[in-house]
Formats: sequence, structure tokens, C-alpha cells
Amino acid sequence: GEDVEQSLFLSVREGDSSVINCTYTDSSSTYLYWYKQEPGAGLQLLTYIFSNMDMKQDQRLTVLLNKKDKHLSLRIADTQTGDSAIYFCAERKGGYQKVTFGTGTKLQVIP
Amino acid sequence: DVKVTQSSRYLVKRTGEKVFLECVQDMDHENMFWYRQDPGLGLRLIYFSYDVKMKEKGDIPEGYSVSREKKERFSLILESASTNQTSMYLCASSPRTGRVGDNEQFFGPGTRLTVL
Repeated sequence: GEDVEQSLFLSVREGDSSVINCTYTDSSSTYLYWYKQEPGAGLQLLTYIFSNMDMKQDQRLTVLLNKKDKHLSLRIADTQTGDSAIYFCAERKGGYQKVTFGTGTKLQVIP
Repeated sequence: DVKVTQSSRYLVKRTGEKVFLECVQDMDHENMFWYRQDPGLGLRLIYFSYDVKMKEKGDIPEGYSVSREKKERFSLILESASTNQTSMYLCASSPRTGRVGDNEQFFGPGTRLTVL
């Protein structure tokens, strides 16, 4: 089956690092994504990683993939109040158009 | 600037009414999707379409139907609205290619539907 799970809530202080975790069950997933949803808006793609990669860095964002444990994480360095949002991980199998989204993690940044 | 628009931001309907939610994209994307978003459950796929007049059931299609008569427009229909269909509905579109970057889904702002 395809299940993507995340913890529901994370609170961090401004300037600290945030780590948002995700676990998935479909070992044939080929592409993994992180989307951000700001209040009152739709989702926007933040970053993605191929399943043959362990890590990807993009400015303040670091994605780590542990394929053996089916664990994906998103690290946000120097978290700002503008990073407050809901973060969704998502997986897709190669050749398929459908994406399975996780339950979402609400990140609260305390000034 | 790429855009996915949804016909309403907020909608209030009564139980048993037929409800139409419209979604339009201006990116010439082949794929279009309808999700519902509920707290603690994340996004769940209702239906998707990978071409005009084509549709496939997602994870929770019961109580819904869809229509895709034109490439840019994908409609979600609640044949007889019920209170358990009160939710946020999100439409998305994506191109149909083999490259992951091009499979990014672009989302509309959502329609918050309340069924009384």
C-alpha cells in the first residue's frame, strides 16, 4: 500500500534549525518531494530528490533520504517566521502521474 | 506567471444540493487533479485526469464525479452534497513528462466548502 506519514506539529524558535520527518511505505517510489502550504494558499513545490540520491542541498534547505528505512527529512537552517506553514512530503513512482501526499506537518516559528 | 484558478474561495451549500467546483489552468498541462484536505489526514486524491475526457478514480472517489471536456478545465461534482463532504478542496495540474522537475504539481488556492 501507499502511506506517507508525518508528525502533525513542530514548534521551533526563530534562528534555530527545523527538521521535519516523513516515512513512506512504498519502496518502489522513485521521486520524493517537499511542498509548502502557506495560510490560505495552495501548495508550492519546495524541493525534490531522486531515490538514488542520499542528500540534496538548496540554500537553507537540506533533504536527507534513507531509502533502507524509507525515511525522508527536510532540514531548514536559520528558521524564519516566514517559514511558518504546513509542509507536505510526497512520493511518486517513475512513469506514474499520480503523487501520494503525506499528512502534513504544521511548523510554528516562535519569534 | 503560471496559474491555477478555482471558481470560489468559499462556498456554503445545503445537504442534498448538487455542487460544481471548477478549476482552470493556463499552462497547457495534460494532468489535472482534485484533492480534499482535512486536518490530520493531509491531502487525499479524489479523481485525476491525464487527458481531455479521461478520468481515473483516486483514493476517495465515492460521492464525487468529474468532468474534463476541455484541456484547461477540470470540474468536480458533488451529486448530492452531504455534511461529511465539508472540507477544503484543492485543484492541481502538472505536465505529463518523464522528467521529475516537470512533474511538479501547481495548485489552486482552494475552495472551502461547507455543507449544512
